This record gives sequence, structure tokens and C-alpha cells, in this order.
Amino acid sequence: KNEVEQSPQNLTAQEGEFITINCSYSVGISALHWLQQHPGGGIVSLFMLSSGKKKHGRLIATINIQEKHSSLHITASHPRDSAVYICAVDGGSQGNLIFGKGTKLSVKP
Amino acid sequence: DSGVTQTPKHLITATGQRVTLRCSPRSGDLSVYWYQQSLDQGLQFLIQYYNGEERAKGNILERFSAQQFPDLHSELNLSSLELGDSALYFCASSFTSGTGNSPLHFGNGTRLTVT
Repeated sequence: KNEVEQSPQNLTAQEGEFITINCSYSVGISALHWLQQHPGGGIVSLFMLSSGKKKHGRLIATINIQEKHSSLHITASHPRDSAVYICAVDGGSQGNLIFGKGTKLSVKP
Repeated sequence: DSGVTQTPKHLITATGQRVTLRCSPRSGDLSVYWYQQSLDQGLQFLIQYYNGEERAKGNILERFSAQQFPDLHSELNLSSLELGDSALYFCASSFTSGTGNSPLHFGNGTRLTVT
């Protein structure tokens, strides 16, 4: 069993839809990161959180430490949101991020 | 723009060869992390340097080595290359010594193809 599980693996949405991507982990963590990887390959860090909720524009990330679960929400989705979204946890060993396999999102116009 | 510069963008080489990947961290960041992304394994942590010193080691092969120089740029050396080493290699930087207390800034990656 992977230490970081993401669901769904693939997601297709229509423009304007509300999107949720889930991440569950099995290790104790000090922080969780949400990353976005565009088709060209580059990775952008979206959020780093250790508790509660963070919002940036149309993106919202939440984490429940007790349940070892995080969600990434995209409101009013747009085709430019099409990318792979990767959850990664900091398990406490410095520098050692454990990555999920990613969720490939495709938003159709 | 993350401020992290990786060169080269693409590298094609033959089995048995040695290559060097370079990373310049975002201005002010002291930590440099190297990650490998292959199709079958996903993203994996290789090694971290903080202010010139090795800080943490992940799934890095003995054929691979890295260092961080006084100007904080880092190089990842891959030797005796095998077909399975073909992957995207990412560098990331952060201000602190751990990934639990400051955001990461990623470079655009180096795509290595071993033929």
C-alpha cells in the first residue's frame, strides 16, 4: 500500500464545474504540499499546509490531521486548470517528501 | 517564474556515459532538493543539500552523486548511465532546511534520455 494515495487518478470536468481531488496518507506528517504539473512538465507549488484551510484565488486546500486526509478544491474550473495535481507529504525526515501518483485533470470548454 | 534555474533542459546520451545536471536555487534559498520523476515510479526524492552540506538522502543510487557549491548552486552527477535512468530530474529550493516549514520552488526540470 502506498503511503500517499490520491483519488481519482483521472478526472474530466466541464468548464465551470467544482472539482475535488483527495489525498490520504498513512504516516505522521509535519506538512502536506499540493503541486501542479503542467503538460510541459514544469511543477508549481500551490499550497503547503499543516492544519486547517488555505485559499488562493479559485483554489482551496483543506487538511484533517486526525483523519490523515487532505482535499484540493477548484471552483469555477477552466481549461487552463488542466494539469496533473500531486499531493506530497513531509514525513518528518528532513528533505524527504513522499509523493502521491497524481491526479490528471482535464477541463473541457 | 519560480526563480529556480535548471540546465540543460534536455539531455540525450548513451548507456555507460556520465552527465551533470545543474541547478541554481531561488535567490535567498539555502536548501536544494533533487527529485527524479519516471513514468513507472512517479516523483522520488533523491538528495538534499542545505547551505553546502548534505542534509538528507533518499532513493539515490550509488552511481549518482551531488554537491552544493559555496554560491549555493548544485550539481547532480549521474554516471554509468542505464536505460532505466531516463527520467525527468527536478531541482527545488527552499529557505529552510526542511520541507515542513517553508514552500518549495521547483525548476522546470531536465529531461534525460539514455539510449
